[in-house]
Amino acid sequence: KAGVTQTPRYLIKTRGQQVTLSCSPISGHRSVSWYQQTPGQGLQFLFEYFSETQRNKGNFPGRFSGRQFSNSRSEMNVSTLELGDSALYLCASSLASPKQLEGGGYTFGSGTRLTVV
Amino acid sequence: ILNVEQSPQSLHVQEGDSTNFTCSFPSSNFYALHWYRWETAKSPEALFVMTLNGDEKKKGRISATLNTKEGYSYLYIKGSQPEDSATYLCAFIVGANNLFFGTGTRLTVIP
Repeated sequence: KAGVTQTPRYLIKTRGQQVTLSCSPISGHRSVSWYQQTPGQGLQFLFEYFSETQRNKGNFPGRFSGRQFSNSRSEMNVSTLELGDSALYLCASSLASPKQLEGGGYTFGSGTRLTVV
Repeated sequence: ILNVEQSPQSLHVQEGDSTNFTCSFPSSNFYALHWYRWETAKSPEALFVMTLNGDEKKKGRISATLNTKEGYSYLYIKGSQPEDSATYLCAFIVGANNLFFGTGTRLTVIP
């Protein structure tokens, strides 16, 4: 069974550019959520999609956006990149809500490491 | 933004020692708590999903308890092995799907 696939693994962009990251969830998983990890910080929740609808959004500026397609694949877009956006971006997929994942929890991808120069 | 605290930040133990760490979270609006293990250069891996006050979960040498009334969860590792070296993250879930992660406890098991 394939895991959660994130592409690309590494990315270098310059300030002011925009970037799109992709996440393909485990087959059958309809929930995809995105997280940012910066040095010294825990994983910060960006947003969560379920059946093409954004259900929840974290405390990030509007430059961060996302979407989910009918096949549950999700993309995250960051516009007007800033140096502080350099981070590891993780996506995670699940069948259902976090309470219903007995013995499961979320399945994470390997992440995309974005460097903004 | 909810505050989820984990302590200690890092821990070094000898192989064979048992250890435990803490995740503290707001006691109101509790929905669920997750524990994850994150090894270097790998993805976070789910350990436990805990939903009820008093829950105790066990997977091999690792176990966890949950106290939603006072807002804490403990993770225990019995007889630590070098392969247990990782960062252990807890995530507090409020509402339906908002996860708030702690900054983790980095465990190093010395052979």
